[in-house]
Amino acid sequence: QKEVEQNSGPLSVPEGAIASLNCTYSDRGSQSFFWYRQYSGKSPELIMSIYSNGDKEDGRFTAQLNKASQYVSLLIRDSQPSDSATYLCAVNIKDMRFGAGTRLTVKP
Amino acid sequence: DTAVSQTPKYLVTQMGNDKSIKCEQNLGHDTMYWYKQDSKKFLKIMFSYNNKELIINETVPNRFSPKSPDKAHLNLHINSLELGDSAVYFCASSQDWTRAAFFGQGTRLTVV
Repeated sequence: QKEVEQNSGPLSVPEGAIASLNCTYSDRGSQSFFWYRQYSGKSPELIMSIYSNGDKEDGRFTAQLNKASQYVSLLIRDSQPSDSATYLCAVNIKDMRFGAGTRLTVKP
Repeated sequence: DTAVSQTPKYLVTQMGNDKSIKCEQNLGHDTMYWYKQDSKKFLKIMFSYNNKELIINETVPNRFSPKSPDKAHLNLHINSLELGDSAVYFCASSQDWTRAAFFGQGTRLTVV
């Protein structure tokens, strides 16, 4: 079983829609969870950190964590073409491990 | 003010050569990482260095060695380069191992 699993996509949504990205992880001892965005040819940039169960909102982004289900998600509201990128889920086990990423395309 | 900086940005070299990639962070972080991103875009951790403890991913060939002269620097040295080493290498740092990592701009290594 992979440490961090994501649906590789691609995921395509129309402009203005909600994009939903999902991630599961294998280690129940994980304490910290992150979502990164990576544009083609660029380095990953942090979007959200979440450490406790529930929802965390930041602008158009909402991260959701359910430790019992070992599941973390990212919702992007009012998706914009500029949100088109690969979204990486990361989990701290003893160091930071990444999922394979979900490629999101937002169509105008 | 670049928080995490890597040099060089591009590196083209021949098989069998030895090369180094430098990384510096000015964030005062305690933990630094090296990641390899292959052509399929998967970010694979190679090393993490936290409070003078080096954690090595067991799948990394021993041709790769991290060198940390001080807390702000974690350089990557690669011996006897192979074609399969071609990838983008990212350095990152975090306040500690539980916190978010911040990435350098990456070094695209091409072995010919």
